[in-house]
Amino acid sequence: DQQVKQNSPSLSVQEGRISILNCDYTNSMFDYFLWYKKYPAEGPTFLISISSIKDKNEDGRFTVFLNKSAKHLSLHIVPSQPGDSAVYFCAASFVGTASKLTFGTGTRLQVTL
Amino acid sequence: NAGVTQTPKFRVLKTGQSMTLLCAQDMNHEYMYWYRQDPGMGLRLIHYSVGEGTTAKGEVPDGYNVSRLKKQNFLLGLESAAPSQTSVYFCASSYSLDISYNEQFFGPGTRLTVL
Repeated sequence: DQQVKQNSPSLSVQEGRISILNCDYTNSMFDYFLWYKKYPAEGPTFLISISSIKDKNEDGRFTVFLNKSAKHLSLHIVPSQPGDSAVYFCAASFVGTASKLTFGTGTRLQVTL
Repeated sequence: NAGVTQTPKFRVLKTGQSMTLLCAQDMNHEYMYWYRQDPGMGLRLIHYSVGEGTTAKGEVPDGYNVSRLKKQNFLLGLESAAPSQTSVYFCASSYSLDISYNEQFFGPGTRLTVL
């Protein structure tokens, strides 16, 4: 039972354009969502997060949008850069669970020149 | 400040052998976690610890044991390795504030192959 889903295994975007990565979840108890970025042979690194009381959070080129009614969140990267090429994981958590995370399967983003 | 470190980086085992993966963090974090990453599966939680001397099961705990004798260390043990345990193992740690959320910091991973 995959509670957090990333239905696009890969995405290719031209440098300078917008990258949109999507994530869906099924557990309505999730109230905190995070995006992690992972380069090959490295551990995931935290990118941006959003609480369920918000519908948008922005940090520089990265913006996360949350649609609770649709149980959907998305990560926008504008403008995309070659260094953004990595695997992006969506993760979710809820209060009282020791900040345990449930991860999606990841989307590999390739930013081309 | 090394963050989260994992030892070893790579290991090849034969079925039935045992081994221990070591995770260390120097950020004084209370919470520590062990995940495994398999192709097409994302990261799945094996065991976690909310403090020194405590451990709890995650999503996929079978075949693994853990210990947290010191706050800064979290050990993952495989008593009798099986090919199904071939995976990349990640350790992570985070602050302890359960009323809010704190990102987890990950180590570089251990690639384990069981033949």
